[in-house]
Amino acid sequence: QKEVEQNSGPLSVPEGAIASLNCTYSDRGSQSFFWYRQYSGKSPELIMSIYSNGDKEDGRFTAQLNKASQYVSLLIRDSQPSDSATYLCAVNAGTASKLTFGTGTRLQVTL
Amino acid sequence: DGGITQSPKYLFRKEGQNVTLSCEQNLNHDAMYWYRQDPGQGLRLIYYSQIVNDFQKGDIAEGYSVSREKKESFPLTVTSAQKNPTAFYLCASSIVGQGDYEQYFGPGTRLTVT
Repeated sequence: QKEVEQNSGPLSVPEGAIASLNCTYSDRGSQSFFWYRQYSGKSPELIMSIYSNGDKEDGRFTAQLNKASQYVSLLIRDSQPSDSATYLCAVNAGTASKLTFGTGTRLQVTL
Repeated sequence: DGGITQSPKYLFRKEGQNVTLSCEQNLNHDAMYWYRQDPGQGLRLIYYSQIVNDFQKGDIAEGYSVSREKKESFPLTVTSAQKNPTAFYLCASSIVGQGDYEQYFGPGTRLTVT
């Protein structure tokens, strides 16, 4: 069973702080990794993709990938109340175009 | 505007009735997907299609059927055989090739069966 694991949270961080969201995956053959943001009642929105070990930065978001440890994370700098949402980690094992999703981590940014 | 449309946004049906959910995309993507999301749960793959006239079962295909007669369209039928059909249904699409499988989602259809 290919699995993607996330802590369900809620993860509570004060406004302006760094939020760190973590994800582990079981399939060592995984090639592509994605972070989606989902607001309550809405559909997921792609915010980051990462394909090789290391860091990838896009604005306030940084994705980090460590294939040896089977670990991918998302850092959100200068967290804002509008960042409050559920963040879904998704992984592609490379055998087809389908993704396996984690259950998501709920982030709460407090004033 | 390029994107994915799903209709209707809300759908109510009586138990025992089949219902078809629409999904259309104008992104020129080859692959399309259907997911189901239950409260507090992640996304579970129902069916996916990487090319016209071909589709594969996902993790929870029982009680569902799909067709892919056109590149732009991937309708999902929830049959009366699906035991717990009430859920949030999400359609997505992506390109196919070289590991770049970024999927983009439509707004979803919330189905309630009573």
